[in-house]
Amino acid sequence: DTGVSQDPRHKITKRGQNVTFRCDPISEHNRLYWYRQTLGQGPEFLTYFQNEAQLEKSRLLSDRFSAERPKGSFSTLEIQRTEQGDSAMYLCASSLGAGSQPQHFGDGTRLSIL
Amino acid sequence: QQQVKQSPQSLIVQKGGISIINCAYENTAFDYFPWYQQFPGKGPALLIAIRPDVSEKKEGRFTISFNKSAKQFSLHIMDSQPGDSATYFCAASSYSPYKYIFGTGTRLKVLA
Repeated sequence: DTGVSQDPRHKITKRGQNVTFRCDPISEHNRLYWYRQTLGQGPEFLTYFQNEAQLEKSRLLSDRFSAERPKGSFSTLEIQRTEQGDSAMYLCASSLGAGSQPQHFGDGTRLSIL
Repeated sequence: QQQVKQSPQSLIVQKGGISIINCAYENTAFDYFPWYQQFPGKGPALLIAIRPDVSEKKEGRFTISFNKSAKQFSLHIMDSQPGDSATYFCAASSYSPYKYIFGTGTRLKVLA
């Protein structure tokens, strides 16, 4: 069990640029989640994949955000035309099985918008 | 209805003492209640979790107490250690997509 891996760990970019983050879940985990965490707050749900299918997106996920999970393995989260308000920690989690199950989180990507 | 309310916001405990963090929820469809520990710059790490068919679960120094009728659950950290100093989050999930609704967090400091 190598854990959930996220890359990069930190990203600094100028407002208006596009950024892409990658998440490698625990192998054999069929579910993958993206959350966003701002300073002093708990993580907030962004989107969810069951295998390669994106099954739910939060209202927090504006049309500037897009996520993919090709072949049901790793996932990418892209933010286009970044804004100051996008500055946050982006967390990926994965889980296995049916029903409510433990989610295992990566250490996140810290995004800073200049 | 989707909120999970967590208290206190911060907590200071002497080494060897008991740390208690409380959470309350409204949505009776929630069926899984995990607790996470988070250190600065790290992702949340699962500590312990409970389902509503049991009233208590213990793992090492960590215990969850669950009160279904009151819609409350709490984390007890026995024999608290300075290494336990971190932020703790409760969460709840239900039905597909089983996303977690997190509390606002409790910053725990254990004094040596």
